[in-house]
Amino acid sequence: AQSVTQLDSQVPVFEEAPVELRCNYSSSVSVYLFWYVQYPNQGLQLLLKYLSGSTLVKGINGFEAEFNKSQTSFHLRKPSVHISDTAEYFCAVSTMDSNYQLIWGAGTKLIIKP
Amino acid sequence: EAQVTQNPRYLITVTGKKLTVTCSQNMNHEYMSWYRQDPGLGLRQIYYSMNVEVTDKGDVPEGYKVSRKEKRNFPLILESPSPNQTSLYFCASSLVGDQPQHFGDGTRLSIL
Repeated sequence: AQSVTQLDSQVPVFEEAPVELRCNYSSSVSVYLFWYVQYPNQGLQLLLKYLSGSTLVKGINGFEAEFNKSQTSFHLRKPSVHISDTAEYFCAVSTMDSNYQLIWGAGTKLIIKP
Repeated sequence: EAQVTQNPRYLITVTGKKLTVTCSQNMNHEYMSWYRQDPGLGLRQIYYSMNVEVTDKGDVPEGYKVSRKEKRNFPLILESPSPNQTSLYFCASSLVGDQPQHFGDGTRLSIL
């Protein structure tokens, strides 16, 4: 069975500093990988996805993620964060074998310090 | 505007009183799903539907029912709600299962 681990429940970072949010998954088959963002009191919005092809994926709002099959990771990065990036970020994985059921990490709260 | 609409957005009710949360999408998506979100647990899937009249259990289906009589609607039914179903619920849809899901704004349920 698939599982997703987001190692940090909270990540505090100063404004304009770089940030990396970590995501590791376990699966014995090919995976599709997603990062979603949830702003306070809102639903979830897709940041970026990896379905196949290039392992470096660029998303909205300047975020990018790299799929590393050997390390079973899909870490999210941004070179310079803004106060508006304050949100909770969720990593999710799905596979064809599981009828594309999304398995979610517990989320990482990104806290931007002025 | 493409959207997933959930109603109600907020509901406080009592144990045992049947309730339905509606979900409707206007994107002609085949795949629809219900999740609950609890602090520290992320999202957990309750039920999903690959197409009309096709539904299947997710990770936490106990105490919930769904139906998919039309493509656009996927209501979530709590026949006899209990306090442990107090949570934030999201409906989502996608064109097919491997495509990104579009989420509704959420329904916050409190069962007293």
